[in-house]
Amino acid sequence: DAGVIQSPRHEVTEMGQEVTLRCKPISGHNSLFWYRQTMMRGLELLIYFNNNVPIDDSGMPEDRFSAKMPNASFSTLKIQPSEPRDSAVYFCASSLEGAQPQHFGDGTRLSIL
Amino acid sequence: GENVGLHLPTLSVQEGDNSIINCAYSNSASDYFIWYKQESGKGPQFIIDIRSNMDKRQGQRVTVLLNKTVKHLSLQIAATQPGDSAVYFCALAEGGGYQKVTFGIGTKLQVIP
Repeated sequence: DAGVIQSPRHEVTEMGQEVTLRCKPISGHNSLFWYRQTMMRGLELLIYFNNNVPIDDSGMPEDRFSAKMPNASFSTLKIQPSEPRDSAVYFCASSLEGAQPQHFGDGTRLSIL
Repeated sequence: GENVGLHLPTLSVQEGDNSIINCAYSNSASDYFIWYKQESGKGPQFIIDIRSNMDKRQGQRVTVLLNKTVKHLSLQIAATQPGDSAVYFCALAEGGGYQKVTFGIGTKLQVIP
């Protein structure tokens, strides 16, 4: 039974470059979440989609961050241009609906040099 | 500058003993509570949940207790095993149309063999 699939698992790039993180939610799940985890701030919700529509993007740090969900089986989180302070582990999670138990991917560890 | 990160509370427990992890919350509108377990290098994994109309719920070796009067949630793990070593997060959601989930900072459980 495939869980939430994220790619890449690791990304190292230089500041100023565009970074795209990808997520495939569990089939049949209507809600998708992007989180960022750092030692400084813990686990933060960046954006929440329901039925492919962004419902809450109040956690997106600034205009450099954007997220899309073109269909029920795929979402991207893009950072352009990237900065060293964006270094973190980024998690994607999905749930049947809203706050119901979320299933997390194994994350993308992003390092911006 | 100095890198000041979150200081995770740590609980050290002897293998075979019971563990109790606590979580205090402040939002009285919270009506759905979830515990997650995060192992090193992985995403958070759902353990157990409870709604505000209950004060106790049991799973396999785990029990969640909810005291709404003092806004306190606890996770009890019976006969703690080395595989239980991880960071445990409580998360909560408010009632209403959009149940935004907020995660606590986590508690690190170390099981001593």
